Amino acid sequence: KQEVTQIPAALSVPEGENLVLNCSFTDSAIYNLQWFRQDPGKGLTSLLLIQSSQREQTSGRLNASLDKSSGRSTLYIAASQPGDSATYLCAVEDQAGTALIFGKGTTLSVSS
Amino acid sequence: DGGITQSPKYLFRKEGQNVTLSCEQNLNHDAMYWYRQDPGQGLRLIYYSQIVNDFQKGDIAEGYSVSREKKESFPLTVTSAQKNPTAFYLCASSPGQGVNSYEQYFGPGTRLTVT
Repeated sequence: KQEVTQIPAALSVPEGENLVLNCSFTDSAIYNLQWFRQDPGKGLTSLLLIQSSQREQTSGRLNASLDKSSGRSTLYIAASQPGDSATYLCAVEDQAGTALIFGKGTTLSVSS
Repeated sequence: DGGITQSPKYLFRKEGQNVTLSCEQNLNHDAMYWYRQDPGQGLRLIYYSQIVNDFQKGDIAEGYSVSREKKESFPLTVTSAQKNPTAFYLCASSPGQGVNSYEQYFGPGTRLTVT
């Protein structure tokens, strides 16, 4: 059964730092991988989606990479800002249109 | 504005009562999903539907029921059989076709408290 792990569970950094969030999954046969952001008490906002045939996706200061063979993805955040403080969730989809399997998230705190 | 709406934002019920959570989308998406989020745990799938009048159980479907009579609506009923119904419930949808056809978009969530 697919399992998704995110390390670290929490991270505190000063404003301006570049940082990397890690996600690993046990079964490399995935359809896609999605990174989300969740603010306290809110729904999820999709940040980046990487199809299984892709190696990375970029959006502004965010860059997500995917290494299917090793079962890993990273989310790189450049020049972090206090507004980036949130919980970041990684999720994989094993088969098209079924469901996402989520990690427990990394809670990021960026101090000014 | 296109999006997914969930109502209400907060819901309180007495134990033993059934309660229905609303999820509506105007994105013309084919697929819709219900997840449950508990503190310290990842989101877990309750039910999903890829087309109207069809739905599939997820990992934790016991004590829940759904219907998909219209493309834009996917209500979730939490029945009295659900042992621990207090949680944050999230609805999502995905296009089901085209580029990034299974990228999921989430609603704002409903926090259900049962006492």
